[in-house]
Amino acid sequence: QLQLVESGGGVVQPGRSLRLSCVASGITFRSSVMNWVRQAPGKGLEWVAGISVDGGNKYYADSVRGRFTISRDNSKDTLYLEMNSLRVEETAVYYCARNGPGYSYGGPFDYWGQGTLVTVSS
Amino acid sequence: EIVMTQSPATLSVSPGERATLSCRASQNVNTNVAWYQQKPGQVPRLLIYGASTWATGIPARFRGSGSGTEFTLTISSLQSEDFAIYYCQQYSKWPLTFGGGTKMEIK
Repeated sequence: QLQLVESGGGVVQPGRSLRLSCVASGITFRSSVMNWVRQAPGKGLEWVAGISVDGGNKYYADSVRGRFTISRDNSKDTLYLEMNSLRVEETAVYYCARNGPGYSYGGPFDYWGQGTLVTVSS
Repeated sequence: EIVMTQSPATLSVSPGERATLSCRASQNVNTNVAWYQQKPGQVPRLLIYGASTWATGIPARFRGSGSGTEFTLTISSLQSEDFAIYYCQQYSKWPLTFGGGTKMEIK
């Protein structure tokens, strides 16, 4: 059964850091382009970052470039998002999502995790 | 960045009727558009990719069309389970972007 499970969310003060993880099972993680997408409470979807299958290419939304870092460990089937200098407005559910098969660049997201809630508050 | 604009923001439709949702890209994205459905408290579900290709298990009453900058999701004969929020997404260029969503309400 294909599954993506995020963890690492919680309450953090503005300006602090947090690292999210997403463990994959039942999919060929090392051949999948992976992404992070977030959704603020009551708001729409916002793509945050994407990473190529070997981790050599990383892409970011303008709003997080320079503060967030996406990475992966194919030996552990795990995707990461390191978030620094967090802002109140970045309170959201953070989802990891997989590119559909055959999409080695941008792509549609065919599998999503259940998400992990990040609350940035003093 | 490519801006995806969805209209209308809210659409009130009666069960059994047809619904037409629109998505406009600020520049040419060819057919690199996907549509997602999200119900309250649930994870988004991929409906359509390549502008018009059904994702696995999606009923034929969902039909995607368009290319370039204009895209449409048509839902024929709405079922009760179809009332949700629908998002379009372009994956032609980084950064990937989503539209603001169309909320389907029961009339």
